Amino acid sequence: EVQLVESGGGLVQPGGSLRLSCAASGFTFSSYDMHWVRQATGKGLEWVSAIGTAGDTYYPGSVKGRFTISRENAKNSLYLQMNSLRAGDTAVYYCARDLGGEGFDYWGQGTLVTVSS
Amino acid sequence: QSALTQPASVSGSPGQSITISCTGTSSDVGSYNLVSWYQQHPGKAPKLMIYEVSKRPSGVSNRFSGSKSGNTASLTISGLQAEDEADYYCCSYAGSSSYVFGTGTKVTVL
Repeated sequence: EVQLVESGGGLVQPGGSLRLSCAASGFTFSSYDMHWVRQATGKGLEWVSAIGTAGDTYYPGSVKGRFTISRENAKNSLYLQMNSLRAGDTAVYYCARDLGGEGFDYWGQGTLVTVSS
Repeated sequence: QSALTQPASVSGSPGQSITISCTGTSSDVGSYNLVSWYQQHPGKAPKLMIYEVSKRPSGVSNRFSGSKSGNTASLTISGLQAEDEADYYCCSYAGSSSYVFGTGTKVTVL
C-alpha cells in the first residue's frame, strides 16, 4: 500500500525557516517524480515544487529562491526546505506522487505550517 | 501563472448530473491533454478522480467523467450521490514542469 507521511510543520516567525519531510512507503520511491502542494485554510490548492527522479527541481515564482525541494532515495524521503517565510506561506503542505506527468495519484495527510509572530 | 477558473459552487439533486467547468488559457489547458481532477472532503487530502483529461484511476466510479474543448476542461458527475458532496479542483500541466490548479468548486447535493 502506497503511503506518504508528512512531518515537520509548526509555528515559525516571519523570516524564519522550516524543513518539511515526507516519508514514502509501498512503492519504489526512486522511480517517481514527487511534488509539494499547499492549501491555505479555506483556500484552494497551490503547486509548490517538484523534483524529478534525476534530482531536477522546479518551482513557481511565488516560492522560487526561498524554497528548496530535495530527496534522499536511500531513505525513501522527500524534503522541503522553506526559508524567508512569510504570513502568506501559512498552509497545510501535502506531498504527492507524480503519475507520469498526468496528475498526482497519491497524497499524504498534510502538515500545517503557520507563519506568525 | 494564474489559477484556472472554476465556478465557486454547483449543486444538484440526488440522481441528477452536474458539470464543473475549468477554464484556462492556451498556455495550459489549451496546450496539453494533461488535465486532472481532484475530490476533497473537509479535513481530508485530495483524491485523484480523473487524469489525462478523461481517464479514471482504478477504483473511481464510472459516474465521474472528464472532457476538454479548447481552453476549457469539464468534469461531469452523473447519478449524483450524497457522498459526492465535496470540493473539486482541476489541475493542468502548464509547461516547463509546472502545474496550475483551479480555484475550486463546492458541490452540494440538495
